[in-house]
Amino acid sequence: GQNIDQPTEMTATEGAIVQINCTYQTSGFNGLFWYQQHAGEAPTFLSYNVLDGLEEKGRFSSFLSRSKGYSYLLLKELQMKDSASYLCAAMDSNYQLIWGAGTKLIIKP
Amino acid sequence: GAVVSQHPSWVICKSGTSVKIECRSLDFQATTMFWYRQFPKQSLMLMATSNEGSKATYEQGVEKDKFLINHASLTLSTLTVTSAHPEDSSFYICSARDMGLAGGGDTGELFFGEGSRLTVL
Repeated sequence: GQNIDQPTEMTATEGAIVQINCTYQTSGFNGLFWYQQHAGEAPTFLSYNVLDGLEEKGRFSSFLSRSKGYSYLLLKELQMKDSASYLCAAMDSNYQLIWGAGTKLIIKP
Repeated sequence: GAVVSQHPSWVICKSGTSVKIECRSLDFQATTMFWYRQFPKQSLMLMATSNEGSKATYEQGVEKDKFLINHASLTLSTLTVTSAHPEDSSFYICSARDMGLAGGGDTGELFFGEGSRLTVL
């Protein structure tokens, strides 16, 4: 079956770095997405990886290893506004997104 | 960047009435749009895939006669919740794929609308 695993909750300190891991199993693979979702709002796109390696975009970076079925989202210089849920989603061979349950990130001063 | 507009953001209706939610791609054409539903503290669940000019493809367990989807143009898809009941109260979100931003194949970046929170009394 198709499955996405990511931690339920993580806590980090303002100014620090945090890495949110995601493992996936899908029927075919057409890329891995990371979205940020604040409570009561729609998700916003953060990154898309389809090739192995690290994609850096400002304070956020995303890494993909297709052979391991593994991705991570790296957040640097954490700010209080980064407190949100981070959703990992893999696109299968039918271009459907398989969503993880999300990781709730709590930032402490 | 590409923008998807969803309307209305909030809607409260009486049980038994119908509610229409619109999803528009503002600066790109979207042959495919997706409709999701999110219950509190749960992940997004895909309800259906809306294809311009053809019938929508519904996920298992989603009643197509209750959740009517119309994708009449390349920039507009609508979801109508017919005869709404309190259990239909949820956060409904649409998304569209900007094929012009595809990095390879036909995998385009996905953009989400702002979401519509439906409360059925």
